[in-house]
Amino acid sequence: EVQLVQSGAEVKKPGESLKISCKGSGYSFTSYWIGWVRQMPGKGLEWMGIIYPGDSDTRYSPSFQGQVTISADKSISTAYLQWSSLKASDTAMYYCARGGAMVIRAFDIWGQGTMVTVSS
Amino acid sequence: QSALTQPASVSGSPGQSITISCTGTSSDVGGYNYVSWYQQHPGKAPKLMIYDVSNRPSGVSNRFSGSKSGNTASLTISGLQAEDEADYYCSSYTSSSVGVFGGGTKLTVL
Repeated sequence: EVQLVQSGAEVKKPGESLKISCKGSGYSFTSYWIGWVRQMPGKGLEWMGIIYPGDSDTRYSPSFQGQVTISADKSISTAYLQWSSLKASDTAMYYCARGGAMVIRAFDIWGQGTMVTVSS
Repeated sequence: QSALTQPASVSGSPGQSITISCTGTSSDVGGYNYVSWYQQHPGKAPKLMIYDVSNRPSGVSNRFSGSKSGNTASLTISGLQAEDEADYYCSSYTSSSVGVFGGGTKLTVL
């Protein structure tokens, strides 16, 4: 079964760092793009960025460039989303999703989501 | 890039058809055939319903269909059912080599 399994919910304080993960299984992890999507409480989906684990080609939506870092460790089929200094406005559900083989297209497989809460 | 434009809400009665529009620009929707649609029920992860403008993934009901004309893509749901009540999002690849979502549309089945 093709699936993406994300790390568990996090509660952090402003200024702290955080790295959440997304482990792929059931398919060739290095052959598909993996993207990250933010959903703030009660709001819509936002396209954050995407990585191709095969060669680590990474793209960021302008709104998220410089705000987060996307990476991947293909040896353990895991993608990451990290923050160096969290803000209260980073409180949201974060989804990883598989984004196509050669071309960035639709997100066909989604992780279960990781809730990040940033509060003092 | 700006989010794609969707109506905030649409509604329909069981058995009816509804259409949700998704308007972008020639730099996204109009420039590529990589428009996709997602269904999201409360508290759940999104689910892919349509990819590449009009293709349905395996397992998605043929009551769901997609199309595109110029800078506007559309999702049509025919034979509306209670379980179709959800939020729907469109998405497109863009000339910036990243993607963008629409603002989302809440579908109410009356």
